[in-house]
Amino acid sequence: DGGITQSPKYLFRKEGQNVTLSCEQNLNHDAMYWYRQDPGQGLRLIYYSQIVNDFQKGDIAEGYSVSREKKESFPLTVTSAQKNPTAFYLCASRDSIWGYTFGSGTRLTVV
Amino acid sequence: GDSVTQMEGPVTLSEEAFLTINCTYTATGYPSLFWYVQYPGEGLQLLLKATKADDKGSNKGFEATYRKETTSFHLEKGSVQVSDSAVYFCALLTDKLIFGTGTRLQVFP
Repeated sequence: DGGITQSPKYLFRKEGQNVTLSCEQNLNHDAMYWYRQDPGQGLRLIYYSQIVNDFQKGDIAEGYSVSREKKESFPLTVTSAQKNPTAFYLCASRDSIWGYTFGSGTRLTVV
Repeated sequence: GDSVTQMEGPVTLSEEAFLTINCTYTATGYPSLFWYVQYPGEGLQLLLKATKADDKGSNKGFEATYRKETTSFHLEKGSVQVSDSAVYFCALLTDKLIFGTGTRLQVFP
């Protein structure tokens, strides 16, 4: 079955460490997105990529980095520069029209 | 800029009650409108959508009508079930998908 796989489901990070969240899709979608979800704030766009080897900053890109070396993969790195990284992170992909498919999310906690 | 405003929760209902969750939007141009549902610990699932004025999206007993004159896309269901308990997000799509803050629905037997 086609879909988006995010891993791990839960992730713990120590202060000052970088951590990478995985997002893989087998839907053959060109565009991929990373969102951050905080209680009471909905979803906010971190980064997005509309094609391989290209990506753009979203509304809250500071402290994050991404790469898009393959169509299927769009990993997100949460760097030590992100001051408040504890959140639920959602990856999504979109087909050439406008249908979005979301992964099941990664919950990141700083310990 | 484009934005979505939806009613704050939680919305607490008894089973078989009528549900309305209000959503209004601000956008330049003609966005598509969506309702997504999020069950605990899960990602988002598309519930319904509408792409132009007066379209009605429907799925699983939920309905929403794209009202351009009032810039609204309110979600309704005639008889909620305990299994409908979740967080509901209204969203609009122009060049990117923009979400409201979400409304938590709690349905009790």
